[in-house]
Amino acid sequence: KQEVTQIPAALSVPEGENLVLNCSFTDSAIYNLQWFRQDPGKGLTSLLLIQSSQREQTSGRLNASLDKSSGRSTLYIAASQPGDSATYLCAVHGSSNTGKLIFGQGTTLQVKP
Amino acid sequence: NAGVTQTPKFRVLKTGQSMTLLCAQDMNHEYMYWYRQDPGMGLRLIHYSVGEGTTAKGEVPDGYNVSRLKKQNFLLGLESAAPSQTSVYFCASADPRGFSNQPQHFGDGTRLSIL
Repeated sequence: KQEVTQIPAALSVPEGENLVLNCSFTDSAIYNLQWFRQDPGKGLTSLLLIQSSQREQTSGRLNASLDKSSGRSTLYIAASQPGDSATYLCAVHGSSNTGKLIFGQGTTLQVKP
Repeated sequence: NAGVTQTPKFRVLKTGQSMTLLCAQDMNHEYMYWYRQDPGMGLRLIHYSVGEGTTAKGEVPDGYNVSRLKKQNFLLGLESAAPSQTSVYFCASADPRGFSNQPQHFGDGTRLSIL
């Protein structure tokens, strides 16, 4: 059974700092891995999707990496800003053709001015 | 585009009452999903549908029923609400032709409290 874990559960950093969020998964047979952002009381916004055959994806100040063999993904945020404060969720799309996502518990990030 | 729309956004129920949550998508997606989100537990799949007229159980299906009578709508029902069903419910949709490189689209959620 696929399990997804995110560490740490919460993180507080000063503005301008570069930071890394971690996601690990137990079964390497995946279609893709997705990173989402969730603001308090809001829905999920897709940030990055890494296909099974890819090693990384970049969007602006965000870079996500994928190492299937070790069951790990990282989300790197460069030059953090207070507006980056949110919960970041990692989700794995397993090998089935049903599209089901298995989510981690999330990392709540606070960027202090 | 509206994307995925959930109705209602908030609801308070008493134990034993019933209600239906509605999810509508305008992207002509074949697949639809219902998740629940509880503090510290991420999102967990309740039920899903791979096409009109089909439904299947997810990770936590007990106490819920679903129906997919029209391709664009996916309904989640609580027949006899229990306090343990207090949660935030998210609906999502996906195009299976884009599974490898397209994310699921999520609604804004329904916040449900059972007293």
